[in-house]
Amino acid sequence: DGGITQSPKYLFRKEGQNVTLSCEQNLNHDAMYWYRQDPGQGLRLIYYSQIVNDFQKGDIAEGYSVSREKKESFPLTVTSAQKNPTAFYLCASTPPGGPQYFGPGTRLLVL
Amino acid sequence: SQQGEEDPQALSIQEGENATMNCSYKTSINNLQWYRQNSGRGLVHLILIRSNEREKHSGRLRVTLDTSKKSSSLLITASRAADTASYFCATPPSGGYQKVTFGIGTKLQVIP
Repeated sequence: DGGITQSPKYLFRKEGQNVTLSCEQNLNHDAMYWYRQDPGQGLRLIYYSQIVNDFQKGDIAEGYSVSREKKESFPLTVTSAQKNPTAFYLCASTPPGGPQYFGPGTRLLVL
Repeated sequence: SQQGEEDPQALSIQEGENATMNCSYKTSINNLQWYRQNSGRGLVHLILIRSNEREKHSGRLRVTLDTSKKSSSLLITASRAADTASYFCATPPSGGYQKVTFGIGTKLQVIP
């Protein structure tokens, strides 16, 4: 899992509630990513950021929001607009031209 | 749409046999990366092969890259039960920013 931490390990969301997933890295990487993984569908890119205060939408950004106020942190908020949030969420960071380093993931469940 | 696509989607072999999985991609790349994911865990990087390399080894892993065919293969020799996992390829596009996309993976089961 390298130098990336994600919390919590499990998260429960109630109907209409926004929840925030934490991702912190101490690898001094500029680029960070959020992926969603559903069974049998591999990883889908939600948002990515290459530098502080800058981020871009990935392939499935609707219903999600992010911020990048610090190099070490890239939190993901799952908003009430995301109607099917149940999934495994993975955060990653990467050095220039290098591989991705993944966190252990957060499993989000809807009550 | 996915840039990298793995094949087969599932593979079951006996311990000690070799396992081969393939990855195809559509556009030009800087490098191609292979990852392993154990059930319920994050992905772990295995090997990165650059676009000007044709073959790379790491322990029991051998990766080949054919840029003319836009394909790569991962060979695991003398497989062990602990190799049971899903394997993904990732293909950062050349030029521009590293918007990395992953395929749906190959689920490998190694039977003891």
